[in-house]
Amino acid sequence: GQQLNQSPQSMFIQEGEDVSMNCTSSSIFNTWLWYKQDPGEGPVLLIALYKAGELTSNGRLTAQFGITRKDSFLNISASIPSDVGIYFCAGQAWGGGADGLTFGKGTHLIIQP
Amino acid sequence: DAGVTQSPTHLIKTRGQQVTLRCSPISGHKSVSWYQQVLGQGPQFIFQYYEKEERGRGNFPDRFSARQFPNYSSELNVNALLLGDSALYLCASSLGLGLQPQHFGDGTRLSIL
Repeated sequence: GQQLNQSPQSMFIQEGEDVSMNCTSSSIFNTWLWYKQDPGEGPVLLIALYKAGELTSNGRLTAQFGITRKDSFLNISASIPSDVGIYFCAGQAWGGGADGLTFGKGTHLIIQP
Repeated sequence: DAGVTQSPTHLIKTRGQQVTLRCSPISGHKSVSWYQQVLGQGPQFIFQYYEKEERGRGNFPDRFSARQFPNYSSELNVNALLLGDSALYLCASSLGLGLQPQHFGDGTRLSIL
């Protein structure tokens, strides 16, 4: 099935560093969402974006809905150990039919002590 | 408040068998979606149900079926299991259709021997 192009695939950073990851698509989406998944758990919604150009923050997390509606990025400032996990972007198109989310392959965030 | 709950948490089956997975949505949510997540990938959309009707279907064979009950809970059925069906099956609920954020349960880990 289709998956979004998410990069980087993995990131090795020091605690306190800022993190940036992005997601691109060949298709237009009406919604972009960012999820975090810890081992043995389901994805947890971090941020939802509904309008092209929208910039939304949730604590140390900031995400933007690209102007072209084909991309989005997520920034994490001043990373802490509990930020470790897999981050997924997801796009949603609304055409009156299926509302299924299309996911990226994920970015593994690893924080080195 | 209870989130999305799924049962069982783990399941082991053999090839050719049939399996039923269950999902209870967040209270007040009327839409349930099912996703398959194989190791190292993002979730793939299987179905979306709203008001007991199938509203969307991903690219999965007819061996996969689902239904939604009057209390908005849902079951996913998979017949004639194949080794490739081994995956984490995730259920997500949302308030309704359209651009509503989807919230995930912790999934059912299905292993096929």
